[in-house]
Amino acid sequence: AQTVTQSQPEMSVQEAETVTLSCTYDTSESDYYLFWYKQPPSRQMILVIRQEAYKQQNATENRFSVNFQKAAKSFSLKISDSQLGDAAMYFCAYRSAGSQGNLIFGKGTKLSVKP
Amino acid sequence: GAGVSQTPSNKVTEKGKYVELRCDPISGHTALYWYRQSLGQGPEFLIYFQGTGAADDSGLPNDRFFAVRPEGSVSTLKIQRTERGDSAMYLCASSLGGGVQETQYFGPGTRLLVL
Repeated sequence: AQTVTQSQPEMSVQEAETVTLSCTYDTSESDYYLFWYKQPPSRQMILVIRQEAYKQQNATENRFSVNFQKAAKSFSLKISDSQLGDAAMYFCAYRSAGSQGNLIFGKGTKLSVKP
Repeated sequence: GAGVSQTPSNKVTEKGKYVELRCDPISGHTALYWYRQSLGQGPEFLIYFQGTGAADDSGLPNDRFFAVRPEGSVSTLKIQRTERGDSAMYLCASSLGGGVQETQYFGPGTRLLVL
């Protein structure tokens, strides 16, 4: 069975600085998708960024980028120029390309942004 | 357009009672997912609908949990003989067609407390 591990329960970053959130996963599959979701306090979970395992190029979305290391089974999220609105729980998630589509989530990292 | 909505936002019940949680997906989305998120954990998959049928119910913890989607739109998660361990946030998500690359859009959740 696939597992997702987020080893940082909490992280803190100064406004305008850069922070990296870690995620590792375990799978025997070669084709899959990886996601980072953001869950602000008392608000809905939203997709931040997605990476297809067959793509070597790291995904980027504005201030958000990933460092995808397939051999190491690592998928970290880098947030540049952190803003107060980035404060949230961040969840790393895995989805098998051959599955019915359900996501497997890590336990999350709580990110605080200091003004 | 409107996002995924869930009602009620909060539900308090007594041990042994029956509860129903409702999910209204984004209009036109054929895929619908239910997840359960316990305190301090990431969401865990419960069941996936493609249209009216449950394509994958492997995440339902036991036979006290049941879900329906009779017309391929609104879904209801039903929990019989509730236990204190059922207390959690129940999240619903929908996607356009259920493809593994598609974004799942989450609702705000129903927080269930079993006393």
